Amino acid sequence: AQSVTQLDSQVPVFEEAPVELRCNYSSSVSVYLFWYVQYPNQGLQLLLKYLSGSTLVKGINGFEAEFNKSQTSFHLRKPSVHISDTAEYFCAVISNDYKLSFGAGTTVTVRA
Amino acid sequence: NAGVTQTPKFQVLKTGQSMTLQCAQDMNHEYMSWYRQDPGMGLRLIHYSVGAGITDQGEVPNGYNVSRSTTEDFPLRLLSAAPSQTSVYFCASSKDRNPTYEQYFGPGTRLTVT
Repeated sequence: AQSVTQLDSQVPVFEEAPVELRCNYSSSVSVYLFWYVQYPNQGLQLLLKYLSGSTLVKGINGFEAEFNKSQTSFHLRKPSVHISDTAEYFCAVISNDYKLSFGAGTTVTVRA
Repeated sequence: NAGVTQTPKFQVLKTGQSMTLQCAQDMNHEYMSWYRQDPGMGLRLIHYSVGAGITDQGEVPNGYNVSRSTTEDFPLRLLSAAPSQTSVYFCASSKDRNPTYEQYFGPGTRLTVT
């Protein structure tokens, strides 16, 4: 079974500053990795995913993430955030059992 | 397409009451699942279905039942509600359980059990 650890529960950031959300996973087998975003009072929306190939993955809204197999990490980054990026972000992993396991979430609050 | 719809949006139950959370999708997706979201715990899988007539347990199935009589609908039943089931419930669907297919989430049902 796999587990997902999001290292920061809250990340305050100023508008136009960069942000990095950290995610580590534990699994002894190949995994597929995802980042989801949840805006206030809404469901989850897929930001990006890593299935195979290039370890740098680009997603929607200017986000990108880098898969690092040796460090079992999948950190999410955005070079310049907007107020509208205020949301909760979830890292998730699927392994051989095809079940999606989520991290606890990171709340990003963007301030002007 | 309406995507994934969930009803009701909000519900308050007394301990011991039963109810059904409805989930429907109009994308002809085979794979459907239910999650609960609790603060500091992310989303946890309750039950899932890989097609009509087939269901299986997820990480936290106790206290919940599901059935899948049609491709479109995947209701979640609470037979005897407990305060520990106070949570936000999300239904999701995808074309297939293969992770190359995106999972689409409904807007959620906020349930309070008193």
